[in-house]
Amino acid sequence: GAGVSQSPRYKVTKRGQDVALRCDPISGHVSLYWYRQALGQGPEFLTYFNYEAQQDKSGLPNDRFSAERPEGSISTLTIQRTEQRDSAMYRCASSSDNGQGGSDEQFFGPGTRLTVL
Amino acid sequence: GQNIDQPTEMTATEGAIVQINCTYQTSGFNGLFWYQQHAGEAPTFLSYNVLDGLEEKGRFSSFLSRSKGYSYLLLKELQMKDSASYLCAVRDPDSGAGSYQLTFGKGTKLSVIP
Repeated sequence: GAGVSQSPRYKVTKRGQDVALRCDPISGHVSLYWYRQALGQGPEFLTYFNYEAQQDKSGLPNDRFSAERPEGSISTLTIQRTEQRDSAMYRCASSSDNGQGGSDEQFFGPGTRLTVL
Repeated sequence: GQNIDQPTEMTATEGAIVQINCTYQTSGFNGLFWYQQHAGEAPTFLSYNVLDGLEEKGRFSSFLSRSKGYSYLLLKELQMKDSASYLCAVRDPDSGAGSYQLTFGKGTKLSVIP
């Protein structure tokens, strides 16, 4: 079956512009996570959705970052007024559990490579 | 706070056995995951431990000691395709408001040589 997909795969933008990154999780997956991964580092948690509810946004760096999942499926991560330090790989992951534990692993998408000039 | 440590790089020979260690210090604990990540690709799930002991899955095994905050991933009969980064991740229910997010280590880059 289809895995997690993300678009665009690459995004180059100028400093100060807004960007929207899309995540399409595996069909039926309840939980959706956004991570940011710098080169040579592990993924860093940004935010978590259970269905359409954003239950944890403790990892969002500042108020320029926001995310939504209005219908409990596709999610969008938006970065306003981008800065060069926002350049990174942004990954989405989904899982079939409801965020309450268990062995259900997170399936990661291919990521969006964001470059802010 | 949360801290997950693993070696930055390791090199091993094809056909050999390699052990990648991970130590963690987290407020809470609800499972430890190992992921494999080839260069330029997404992480993929390898193993999950929530109770002490060894979990075996083919050539890969993972061990957990909760009292020591320690895990290792054991790779047997190494193949060239095993060259990748191996990420240790802990699920900490105390880490955020209402989620069981994963906190990842920086990863161990394993190079398998002929």
